[in-house]
Amino acid sequence: QSVLTQPPSVSGAPGQRVTMSCTGSSSNIGAGYDVHWYQQLPGTAPKLLIYANNNRPSGVPDRFSGSKSGTSASLVITGLQAEDEADYYCQSYDSSLSAVFGGGTKLTVL
Amino acid sequence: EVQLVESGGGLVQPGGSLRLSCAASRFTFRVYWMHWVRQAPGKGLVWVSRISSDGSITGYADSVKGRFTISRDNAKNTLYLQMNSLRAEDTAVYYCARDLNYYFESWGQGTLVTVSS
Repeated sequence: QSVLTQPPSVSGAPGQRVTMSCTGSSSNIGAGYDVHWYQQLPGTAPKLLIYANNNRPSGVPDRFSGSKSGTSASLVITGLQAEDEADYYCQSYDSSLSAVFGGGTKLTVL
Repeated sequence: EVQLVESGGGLVQPGGSLRLSCAASRFTFRVYWMHWVRQAPGKGLVWVSRISSDGSITGYADSVKGRFTISRDNAKNTLYLQMNSLRAEDTAVYYCARDLNYYFESWGQGTLVTVSS
């Protein structure tokens, strides 16, 4: 049972827009801790996708965006591409200063 | 580009010990906090442990507290994870990761630890 809750799967056709959620509580996201997102392609290590709620590291396409509100956050991917098919994880901190992750969302590009 | 290379994984019996290493290069290792994150087969990411840049502050997930010890040698640019009293549920790929403002900015490729008799 992960501290942050993510839907197990989402899907979309190429070119479409998909949104995936990350729900926490008052002891983590709601306490003001930032939310970060990671993309894990099959068989590879996770890669930072979005940091501090809505910032993209250099090299990440602007098709990826993030937002945070209250005790939850969202990752939006526009112009879906086949190579976006991966697992996506949200991460924050909690009041015990432990990093916490969501259970991950598997994105399928139809 | 930041490079993190884990090693030391393998097959170990329940109750056994293993020490993982993470060799860091292409950045100033001694100024960064570092973490271990693990991923059981087919499962999600789970934070395991962290250590401050000078090694004076450490933290652990409840599931490993008292059994695992994180440490670092800044002269050798290496992060360690000593794992004792291993259990089947510790079976996972273990990643080391560089911390930047409470997120994991760079990751190693991971090393697989299998606990089984």
